[in-house]
Amino acid sequence: GAVVSQHPSRVICKSGTSVKIECRSLDFQATTMFWYRQFPKQSLMLMATSNEGSKATYEQGVEKDKFLINHASLTLSTLTVTSAHPEDSSFYICSAKGQGDTEAFFGQGTRLTVV
Amino acid sequence: GQNIDQPTEMTATEGAIVQINCTYQTSGFNGLFWYQQHAGEAPTFLSYNVLDGLEEKGRFSSFLSRSKGYSYLLLKELQMKDSASYLCAAMDSNYQLIWGAGTKLIIKP
Repeated sequence: GAVVSQHPSRVICKSGTSVKIECRSLDFQATTMFWYRQFPKQSLMLMATSNEGSKATYEQGVEKDKFLINHASLTLSTLTVTSAHPEDSSFYICSAKGQGDTEAFFGQGTRLTVV
Repeated sequence: GQNIDQPTEMTATEGAIVQINCTYQTSGFNGLFWYQQHAGEAPTFLSYNVLDGLEEKGRFSSFLSRSKGYSYLLLKELQMKDSASYLCAAMDSNYQLIWGAGTKLIIKP
């Protein structure tokens, strides 16, 4: 299957700072990328969907000014958690899909801890 | 509304067979996915069904009935490493995945 690389795998940051998470498709062109967060023992919650070159579509309840998503190229999308607070601590996962593909491939996930 | 139901937790014995059920209600339907997720890791793809019937892939099989809005994942010859959460996800008419909460499978020796 296709490879999606997500970086960093773990990050600890102080309250009030910003954190950037990168999601790269290594061997295919990702026309669509999805960003999820997952709390312990809960399912994936879709935060936003981004298509290359377009503004991301955010799910209801997700603050777009807090979770900045950039999908400027066909191989890279970034999620920036701005002014992070402890309640933003979570597991963030990206997935990427090529044009016309049904299956989306997941990155390894990023464990964010805000202290 | 859109909804996915699957059991919260199941327990099975090493070497046995277990079936994890999933029912779904979505706006349109473009297929049913099963993913395996170990604790602290991202999900990994197991299967995709869009037509009715059984798809077999090694020790894992997945079944779909579109008329009943029902799928199951069948795991045979269970191994300890199969202990994980199994996520059912249905793709709606907008090609968005609607996720179930996952079934935690506990394998006992």
